[in-house]
Amino acid sequence: EPEVTQTPSHQVTQMGQEVILRCVPISNHLYFYWYRQILGQKVEFLVSFYNNEISEKSEIFDDQFSVERPDGSNFTLKIRSTKLEDSAMYFCASSEYGPGMGEQFFGPGTRLTVL
Amino acid sequence: AQTVTQSQPEMSVQEAETVTLSCTYDTSESDYYLFWYKQPPSRQMILVIRQEAYKQQNATENRFSVNFQKAAKSFSLKISDSQLGDAAMYFCAYRSVLTSGTYKYIFGTGTRLKVLA
Repeated sequence: EPEVTQTPSHQVTQMGQEVILRCVPISNHLYFYWYRQILGQKVEFLVSFYNNEISEKSEIFDDQFSVERPDGSNFTLKIRSTKLEDSAMYFCASSEYGPGMGEQFFGPGTRLTVL
Repeated sequence: AQTVTQSQPEMSVQEAETVTLSCTYDTSESDYYLFWYKQPPSRQMILVIRQEAYKQQNATENRFSVNFQKAAKSFSLKISDSQLGDAAMYFCAYRSVLTSGTYKYIFGTGTRLKVLA
């Protein structure tokens, strides 16, 4: 069964460094999403992406964040200058459809640790 | 804004017994979707069951069923004949349609289910 995959599973970085989290959505899906979960807190929406542009973003998704679909298969989340509070689990999700019956399929997550 | 609340951080159930996980939500929308996702340790979230708000009938999926009370804004998950493989974190989620036409999920904080042999 097709799955969303994410790499790396765990990323450790120094504060101020740039990180890129990678996701490979399910191949026929058109809508892509990033969520994050700070340890012990709820999963929070970051951004949705469709037709090569951001559809919507939350207040968390500030200028330090960017997303890209560089090659038609990968979907990346870049954090330009990481802060301690960026430490979290980051989940990628994809869906075949938009609103309607579309279900989001989630990846296993990347645990980001900022030191 | 929509919110989702799971008031049980952790639950335990004996194998083969039944357990109910609670979820309440708040919204001003009349038509929406609710979901239960299961997240085993170090694995991705898997959809367990989905409920469309306009359907009065409670969704069922094998051993999993929901008690959807729209007026009370309650969406509990019942797991019957619990199995060791049911042990996981369970998230309740509300699907909110964004102004762009896409949507996002609003999650509860999760309930960790332990299944005792």
